[in-house]
Amino acid sequence: GDSVTQMEGPVTLSEEAFLTINCTYTATGYPSLFWYVQYPGEGLQLLLKATKADDKGSNKGFEATYRKETTSFHLEKGSVQVSDSAVYFCALPPTGGSYIPTFGRGTSLIVHP
Amino acid sequence: NAGVTQTPKFRVLKTGQSMTLLCAQDMNHEYMYWYRQDPGMGLRLIHYSVGEGTTAKGEVPDGYNVSRLKKQNFLLGLESAAPSQTSVYFCASRVGTGGTYEQYFGPGTRLTVT
Repeated sequence: GDSVTQMEGPVTLSEEAFLTINCTYTATGYPSLFWYVQYPGEGLQLLLKATKADDKGSNKGFEATYRKETTSFHLEKGSVQVSDSAVYFCALPPTGGSYIPTFGRGTSLIVHP
Repeated sequence: NAGVTQTPKFRVLKTGQSMTLLCAQDMNHEYMYWYRQDPGMGLRLIHYSVGEGTTAKGEVPDGYNVSRLKKQNFLLGLESAAPSQTSVYFCASRVGTGGTYEQYFGPGTRLTVT
């Protein structure tokens, strides 16, 4: 079945540091790929997405590129802010006739001033 | 356009009590989902619905029941609450067909069972 593997957290950085959160996946076919963000005390919200191989999704300074060859969708940001402190989830939509999406376990990011 | 709303936001129950969590969406989405989120466990799917009048079990359905009598509402019931059901519950919805199938989440209900 489908699966998503994210790097374990927490990831602790100083403000203005470079961020990478790794995500690899196993899926049927070539589905869209998503990153969701969950700020403290809130629900998940879509951060960015890519719909086909080599697509780059971007939003709020974050970027991720859909790499079919390495089945990866790593999240990056060049200069993190304290306000980026949150939990980040990599996800796949349902594939192969399923109705159930697949989420990674989430990676907590803590940014210190 | 409120998106996905959840009622209540917080609740404390005693063991054995019952309650219903309400999820409502105003986006005319076909599919709706209930998840629970516990520390270190990520999101776990409890039940889901692919249309009015239909429901199906997810990964952790025991101790919960659901109903989807109206397209815009998805109810999650706990008939006899247990401390193991202490968690944060999230509802989500998405379009049925077409599009890229991203989910829209509610703000969550924090439930404590003592």
